[in-house]
Amino acid sequence: AQSVTQPDIHITVSEGASLELRCNYSYGATPYLFWYVQSPGQGLQLLLKYFSGDTLVQGIKGFEAEFKRSQSSFNLRKPSVHWSDAAEYFCAVGAAGGYQKVTFGTGTKLQVIP
Amino acid sequence: EAEVAQSPRYKITEKSQAVAFWCDPISGHATLYWYRQILGQGPELLVQFQDESVVDDSQLPKDRFSAERLKGVDSTLKIQPAELGDSAMYLCASSLRQGSSYEQYFGPGTRLTVT
Repeated sequence: AQSVTQPDIHITVSEGASLELRCNYSYGATPYLFWYVQSPGQGLQLLLKYFSGDTLVQGIKGFEAEFKRSQSSFNLRKPSVHWSDAAEYFCAVGAAGGYQKVTFGTGTKLQVIP
Repeated sequence: EAEVAQSPRYKITEKSQAVAFWCDPISGHATLYWYRQILGQGPELLVQFQDESVVDDSQLPKDRFSAERLKGVDSTLKIQPAELGDSAMYLCASSLRQGSSYEQYFGPGTRLTVT
């Protein structure tokens, strides 16, 4: 069964600093990988996704993520964090072919301090 | 921009009472998902519909939860009777087709508190 681990429950960064959120997945074949963001009291919004090809993917709001098969990781990065980036971030894994559900990690809550 | 609609946004109910949530997916989306998100955790799939048919309800507690999507458009999730452990955010999402390659669009959710 597929699974996702987000080792950091809570991260605090200063505004303007760089950000990296960690995600490790477990899946036997090539996974589909996603990062979602959830603002307080809201639903989830897709930031970016990886299916195949270039292992560095660009997303919305200036985010990017890199797929590293050897490390089973898909870490999310942003070079300069804005106060509006404060939210909860979820990594998720799915799979190709037919019906395959998406499994979410437990999330990392990002706090941005001025 | 089309959005997934959910109502109510907030619901407080006493244990043993019945409660229902409604979801209207983006027009034309064949696949509809209901997720439960307990505080501090990621969303967990409860049930997935393809048009009006259930594709996956393996994590739905069928003794108390039911879901329907009669005309393949909007959907209702019901809990009867509600238990204290059902307190959570219930999220609805839709996608154009089933399969991980199709983006899921989420609604704002219904926050349920069972007292």
